[in-house]
Amino acid sequence: AQKVTQAQTEISVVEKEDVTLDCVYETRDTTYYLFWYKQPPSGELVFLIRRNSFDEQNEISGRYSWNFQKSTSSFNFTITASQVVDSAVYFCALRGNAGGTSYGKLTFGQGTILTVHP
Amino acid sequence: EAQVTQNPRYLITVTGKKLTVTCSQNMNHEYMSWYRQDPGLGLRQIYYSMNVEVTDKGDVPEGYKVSRKEKRNFPLILESPSPNQTSLYFCASSLLQGGGPYEQYFGPGTRLTVT
Repeated sequence: AQKVTQAQTEISVVEKEDVTLDCVYETRDTTYYLFWYKQPPSGELVFLIRRNSFDEQNEISGRYSWNFQKSTSSFNFTITASQVVDSAVYFCALRGNAGGTSYGKLTFGQGTILTVHP
Repeated sequence: EAQVTQNPRYLITVTGKKLTVTCSQNMNHEYMSWYRQDPGLGLRQIYYSMNVEVTDKGDVPEGYKVSRKEKRNFPLILESPSPNQTSLYFCASSLLQGGGPYEQYFGPGTRLTVT
């Protein structure tokens, strides 16, 4: 069985602070995919990034960066110079690769509520 | 406009009264999925479909049914709803890449209350 743990239930920061959201996963699959999604207060879910298990390069997109470390089974998300608009619930998710229709199974973490104060 | 639509958006019903939540996408995506969101539990996958007539269980399928007769539609059926199915439900769709879903597009959500 696969599992995703986001141990930080809630994080509160002041604008312009950097913040890191942790994601730790468990899977027996040798290849897999990791995702981050954002859910702002309006409620919709928005895709942020996908990472393949065989690609350990870190990724940066503007103020967002992702650190994937296979050795520690972690896929952490950092927001640099946070802004009020970053306030949202952030979900990490895992998709296995065990074959057949199991490719479609996704496991999400519990989510981290990020509040950025002005 | 590319989108996933769900209906109804809000529903209050009573225990045991069968209901269907519809989901439709206009992006010709092969993959569709249903999730429920509960406080402290995050999103949990109910059922998913890799293509027409191909469906499979997620982590919490008990009490739900789905069907995929057409590519664009993936209705969620609660044959005999119970109060523990009170939740926020999301439908999602995606192209398949690497054998599975890539970027999922989510519907706006359906808030269901079962009394």
